[in-house]
Amino acid sequence: DQQVKQNSPSLSVQEGRISILNCDYTNSMFDYFLWYKKYPAEGPTFLISISSIKDKNEDGRFTVFLNKSAKHLSLHIVPSQPGDSAVYFCAASSSYNTDKLIFGTGTRLQVFP
Amino acid sequence: NAGVTQTPKFQVLKTGQSMTLQCAQDMNHEYMSWYRQDPGMGLRLIHYSVGAGITDQGEVPNGYNVSRSTTEDFPLRLLSAAPSQTSVYFCASRRTGSLANYGYTFGSGTRLTVV
Repeated sequence: DQQVKQNSPSLSVQEGRISILNCDYTNSMFDYFLWYKKYPAEGPTFLISISSIKDKNEDGRFTVFLNKSAKHLSLHIVPSQPGDSAVYFCAASSSYNTDKLIFGTGTRLQVFP
Repeated sequence: NAGVTQTPKFQVLKTGQSMTLQCAQDMNHEYMSWYRQDPGMGLRLIHYSVGAGITDQGEVPNGYNVSRSTTEDFPLRLLSAAPSQTSVYFCASRRTGSLANYGYTFGSGTRLTVV
């Protein structure tokens, strides 16, 4: 039972355009949502997060949107750069068990010139 | 400040052998976790710890043991290796405070092959 789903295994975007990565979840108890970026042969790197009391969080070129009624979140990268090419994972946990972090299967983003 | 250090980086085991994957962090983080990453499966939580002496099971704990005797170290023990445990293992840690603010810092991983 996949509680966190990233239904698009890959995404290809032109440099300078917007990249939108999507994530759906099934557990309504999730309160914290995080995005990680992973390059080959490296560990994941924390990118941005959002808690359930907000519906948007921005950090530079990265914005995460949360739609709790739809159990959906998305990561927007504007403008996309070639260095953004990586695998992106969303992850979620609940406030009663914060560190039991559940990851999605990842979306491979390729940004081409 | 080395962050999260995992050793070894690569390991080949025979079925039935035991071994310990080492994880150390020098950031004085209270929280530590172990994940495995398999193709098409994302990262799955094996065990985690919210402080020295306290551990709990994640999604896929069977076949693995952990202990946390110090804040810095969180070793993962494979009791009797099986081919299904072939994977890339990641250790992670985070500081006290909101998960949403700080997230987890990951090590660079140990690639384990069981033959």
